[in-house]
Amino acid sequence: GAGVSQTPSNKVTEKGKYVELRCDPISGHTALYWYRQSLGQGPEFLIYFQGTGAADDSGLPNDRFFAVRPEGSVSTLKIQRTERGDSAVYLCASSAGTGHGYTFGSGTRLTVV
Amino acid sequence: GEDVEQSLFLSVREGDSSVINCTYTDSSSTYLYWYKQEPGAGLQLLTYIFSNMDMKQDQRLTVLLNKKDKHLSLRIADTQTGDSAIYFCAESTGGYQKVTFGIGTKLQVIP
Repeated sequence: GAGVSQTPSNKVTEKGKYVELRCDPISGHTALYWYRQSLGQGPEFLIYFQGTGAADDSGLPNDRFFAVRPEGSVSTLKIQRTERGDSAVYLCASSAGTGHGYTFGSGTRLTVV
Repeated sequence: GEDVEQSLFLSVREGDSSVINCTYTDSSSTYLYWYKQEPGAGLQLLTYIFSNMDMKQDQRLTVLLNKKDKHLSLRIADTQTGDSAIYFCAESTGGYQKVTFGIGTKLQVIP
C-alpha cells in the first residue's frame, strides 16, 4: 500500500482480556518496528523485525507482550491479560533500510478499562 | 545508554522563525531525526542528518548539528499556523536504525 496501515484505529478492552493489533507495512519494506506512545511522552521502542524474525525485542515490557510477522509483511502485536497501564497508542513503522528513516502508521489507541 | 532531551514547549508568532533544540547523550549516534506529530496523527519524518554533517537545509527547515556538544536544532523559517504540532528529536545507532525519541516539543504558532 501507499502507507503503513494499522488496525483497529481504536480498541477498548476490559482488564484481563487479550488483544491483537495489526500492522500492514509499506510494500517491500523489510524492516518493521513497533513503538508505544503514552500521553505526553515520546514513542518508546518495543520490537524490531527484519523480515520474519524479531531482531530485537528488548523493548517488550514483559512476557504478556508478543509480536509476530510470519510472512515478512503484516505484523501482529499481541497483548495477553491486559492491564490499565497498557493503555497507550501503539505505533507501527516500516523502513526501506539504513538512513531512510521510518514511515509511521497512524497508530492504534488502546484503552484498557 | 541512549537519552534524548528537549524542551517541552515553544511559542512563536506567525512569520517569525522557530528554533527547537535537542541534546542527546550517545556519541555513537549515526543519524539524527526530526519528526512532526499533529494532533491525533502518526509521526511524520521531517528531515534527518547524518552524524558527519553539521548542517542540512530543506526549504524552510534548517538542521544544525554540533557533534562535539551533542546538540541538534531545527529552525523553521517563516513559521505558519500549520506548523503547530509536536516536534520529536530522535537518534539512531547501529545498522538497523533502532530509533530513540525525545519527549517532544510542542510548538504553538500565534496568528
